[in-house]
Parts: sequence; C-alpha cells; structure tokens
Amino acid sequence: DGGITQSPKYLFRKEGQNVTLSCEQNLNHDAMYWYRQDPGQGLRLIYYSQIVNDFQKGDIAEGYSVSREKKESFPLTVTSAQKNPTAFYLCASRTSGGALEQFFGPGTRLTVL
Amino acid sequence: QKEVEQNSGPLSVPEGAIASLNCTYSDRGSQSFFWYRQYSGKSPELIMFIYSNGDKEDGRFTAQLNKASQYVSLLIRDSQPSDSATYLCAVTDRGSTLGRLYFGRGTQLTVWP
Repeated sequence: DGGITQSPKYLFRKEGQNVTLSCEQNLNHDAMYWYRQDPGQGLRLIYYSQIVNDFQKGDIAEGYSVSREKKESFPLTVTSAQKNPTAFYLCASRTSGGALEQFFGPGTRLTVL
Repeated sequence: QKEVEQNSGPLSVPEGAIASLNCTYSDRGSQSFFWYRQYSGKSPELIMFIYSNGDKEDGRFTAQLNKASQYVSLLIRDSQPSDSATYLCAVTDRGSTLGRLYFGRGTQLTVWP
C-alpha cells in the first residue's frame, strides 16, 4: 500500500531532551513538509523540502531541525531549544505536478513531561 | 504573512441539511484552494481542491471559488452525522511551484441526527 507513515504515534519527552520524529513515504513524492498543530489552531509550517539534500525553513523553524538524505524520508528533530514542543506533528508530501495537493501522514503527538 | 480566515464555529446543522463553510484569503495571487476534513485526534484528509472560478462538484460536496472576492466555500449537501469534523481551508503560495499551503484555523461542524 502506498502512503505516508509517521512514528511513533505518541511520544513523551523530558525537558532538555532532543527527540526525532520519523516520516516515510512510498508515494514517490518529491516534496515533503512538517507542520505543527496546537489545539484550536490551524497548521503551521515548520520545514519543507522539495528535493533531496535541500530544505527550507517555514514559519516556525526555531528549535527544530530536519534532514532529507533520501527521497522517501524526512525526519524532524525537536531540540531542547524548542520551548513549547507539546503539539500534534503532521508530515505531508505531494507530487511535483497536478494541483499540488498535499497528503498527510497519521501524525505524532508529542508531550513534554 | 498570508491570511486565511474561517469562521471557527461551531456550525451545527440537522441531518439532511446543507452545511455551508466559508473561507477568505488575503493573497490575491493565490492559485489553488483546498478543503481538508479532520476528525478529532486524526490527521487532515483532502476532500476537494479547486483552482478555477465557479463551482466544482464531487458527490455531496461542492466547492465554490470567487477570486475577485477572494472567497472560497464548501457546501455539503444531505449532511450526515459522519460529516461531523473540523474543516480546514488551505491556499497555495503565489509562487505555486514551491507548493506551500497556508491553512485557516478550521470550522468545526456538527451534524445532529
């Protein structure tokens, strides 16, 4: 089955720890995105990547880092510099053509203890 | 910063009625417009996209776009309790090859039996 997978589904972090959220897609999509969603809020863009080995900051990149070493994978690291990391994290991908619609993975819910 | 505005709701309609969800956007150069449905605790699911002025129908859903008024709407006919969810409006960046989406905060819809 083609799709986007994220792991883990739930993640608990102690203050001061870095954690890495996984995002993998087998849709052969070029572009991948990371969003953060807080209760009652829309999605805010953290980072995005259009091709391997290239990525751009979104609107709230501070305290986060990413890599894009493979087309299929776009992991997000939440560093200790992110002061309020508790949120629902969503990974998305899209093809290069068409209407540029994005498709989302199931999400990772991160809680800081 | 590009703004995408939606009434937060909640919007409550009886089963079988038409639900009307509205969205306005600030960037006149926005090119494509998307409606996502998000059930509580789940990731967004693409329902429809539209990029030409007028109406686009898909089953019980109709998207309406008026670029002159910078307004896009989603009509849900014969609403069902299973339609109860938050509906997110999203628009593309002016430079659409970048594929960035800007999201509204969503409208919560409740369809009561």
